[in-house]
Amino acid sequence: AQTVTQSQPEMSVQEAETVTLSCTYDTSESDYYLFWYKQPPSRQMILVIRQEAYKQQNATENRFSVNFQKAAKSFSLKISDSQLGDAAMYFCAYTQGGSEKLVFGKGTKLTVNP
Amino acid sequence: DTAVSQTPKYLVTQMGNDKSIKCEQNLGHDTMYWYKQDSKKFLKIMFSYNNKELIINETVPNRFSPKSPDKAHLNLHINSLELGDSAVYFCASSHLAGGAQYFGPGTRLTVT
Repeated sequence: AQTVTQSQPEMSVQEAETVTLSCTYDTSESDYYLFWYKQPPSRQMILVIRQEAYKQQNATENRFSVNFQKAAKSFSLKISDSQLGDAAMYFCAYTQGGSEKLVFGKGTKLTVNP
Repeated sequence: DTAVSQTPKYLVTQMGNDKSIKCEQNLGHDTMYWYKQDSKKFLKIMFSYNNKELIINETVPNRFSPKSPDKAHLNLHINSLELGDSAVYFCASSHLAGGAQYFGPGTRLTVT
């Protein structure tokens, strides 16, 4: 069974600084997709970024970028120029190609200090 | 606004009662889901429907019964509620397998 591991239960960063959240996954499949979701205190689940495993290029969305290391099965999220509004739980998630099932990690709580 | 909506957002009820949560999406997606987020924030899929057909049914007690009247709606009915059912329930939808899933605002269910 596929598993997703987020080894950092909590992280903190100073406003305007850069922070990297770690995620590793375990799969024997070659066709899969990876995601980062953000859950602020409002509890809404917000898609941050999506990566297709067959693409070597790392996905980016404005201040958010990933470091996708397929061989190492690592998918870290980098947040640049951190803002107070980035404070949230961040979930890494995996889905196998052709499957609708998202498997989530346990989340990392990010605090942004002014 | 295009979105995934759920009603109600909060639900407080007593053990043994039966309750329903409704979900609607106007994104034109073919697939809809129910997820449960427990008190430790862990999210786990419960059910998935593709165009009104059940395609994922995780090991969920049969007190939970999803119903999809059409591909834009997916409701969740829970019979004989138990304390352990207290959680946040999220509805989500996606266009294709492997596509991004878009979540509703969640329903916080509290069973007393």
